[in-house]
Amino acid sequence: SQTIHQWPATLVQPVGSPLSLECTVEGTSNPNLYWYRQAAGRGLQLLFYSVGIGQISSEVPQNLSASRPQDRQFILSSKKLLLSDSGFYLCAWVKDSDEQFFGPGTRLTVL
Amino acid sequence: QKEVEQNSGPLSVPEGAIASLNCTYSDRGSQSFFWYRQYSGKSPELIMSIYSNGDKEDGRFTAQLNKASQYVSLLIRDSQPSDSATYLCAVKGGGFKTIFGAGTRLFVKA
Repeated sequence: SQTIHQWPATLVQPVGSPLSLECTVEGTSNPNLYWYRQAAGRGLQLLFYSVGIGQISSEVPQNLSASRPQDRQFILSSKKLLLSDSGFYLCAWVKDSDEQFFGPGTRLTVL
Repeated sequence: QKEVEQNSGPLSVPEGAIASLNCTYSDRGSQSFFWYRQYSGKSPELIMSIYSNGDKEDGRFTAQLNKASQYVSLLIRDSQPSDSATYLCAVKGGGFKTIFGAGTRLFVKA
């Protein structure tokens, strides 16, 4: 069966510091991968998606970037965090069907 | 802009009652429809998918789709306190993106 991992689970970072969040999927190959952000009490905002290694589509212009160095690895990064980057970051995968399955998420607080 | 609208709630129902959650969407080309459950502090969990008009039942859950009215709903029968969560409606067209609603908070009172 497929499993999706995210780490770290929680993170507290100062404004202006860098960020690296990692997502890995097990038990499947060539999945479509997605990064979402959910602000407190809000819906899911799609940040990036990837249909293959090195292929990244950006949905929202901001100070975040994404990379897919391996088939089942998706990384979200920032060079300098803003207060508005606080939120719950979710990675999701899709394979064959349209159904998206989410990882456990990373809760980021920027102080 | 493609949108998915949900009443934010909270929707409060007594234990054992039927909870009815509703969702409308703007893109007539949408093909796939989903309901996710999200407990506080946790990630969304897929509970139902529906692709054609009509009803689809899975245990206590029934999803209903009406493409002509651009409307999808979720019924939860015999609601339990453990059903208390935020329910997200999601809609996908022909591309790679799925659009999520902001969710409806459901409280089931014991």
